Amino acid sequence: QKEVEQDPGPLSVPEGAIVSLNCTYSNSAFQYFMWYRQYSRKGPELLMYTYSSGNKEDGRFTAQVDKSSKYISLFIRDSQPSDSATYLCAMGGGAQKLVFGQGTRLTINP
Amino acid sequence: KAGVTQTPRYLIKTRGQQVTLSCSPISGHRSVSWYQQTPGQGLQFLFEYFSETQRNKGNFPGRFSGRQFSNSRSEMNVSTLELGDSALYLCASSAGPGGEDTQYFGPGTRLTVL
Repeated sequence: QKEVEQDPGPLSVPEGAIVSLNCTYSNSAFQYFMWYRQYSRKGPELLMYTYSSGNKEDGRFTAQVDKSSKYISLFIRDSQPSDSATYLCAMGGGAQKLVFGQGTRLTINP
Repeated sequence: KAGVTQTPRYLIKTRGQQVTLSCSPISGHRSVSWYQQTPGQGLQFLFEYFSETQRNKGNFPGRFSGRQFSNSRSEMNVSTLELGDSALYLCASSAGPGGEDTQYFGPGTRLTVL
């Protein structure tokens, strides 16, 4: 079993839809949770950073962490074609290296 | 503040050759991590250096090695290249150790092995 599981998709939704991206994990030592966005042929860029459980909102993006269920989510409201990218979850904590999910390829159709 | 830079951006090598990739972290960052990204395997951790010491190592053969200099710049080397080494190699820097701090990625070096 992988430490971090993420549905690779691909996921295709119409413009304006609410998008939900999810990751599950098995290591209870993880305390830091991040979402990265990666456009084609570019390096990943940090979207959201959350410490421990709870919600964090930044514009159209909301990150949720449920440590009791070992489950994190990223919600994108009013999705735009420019949101089309691969989204990677990542998590770490203590002396451990950062662990990434497989990435979900998202396409927003105009 | 300048971001993470990686050189070269593109490389074409043949099997059996060796290659050295370079990464300059964000100014003030002391941690540099290297990743291999392929369509089938996703982002796989190679190693992390913090203050010139290897802090963590992924599950890659000994052909993959790295080092970090006193100015935090890092290099990774791959010897005896194989076709399967074709990938995007990403470098990420963070102020603190990689598992505890936000990592910022460079644009990557795309390596093609023929």
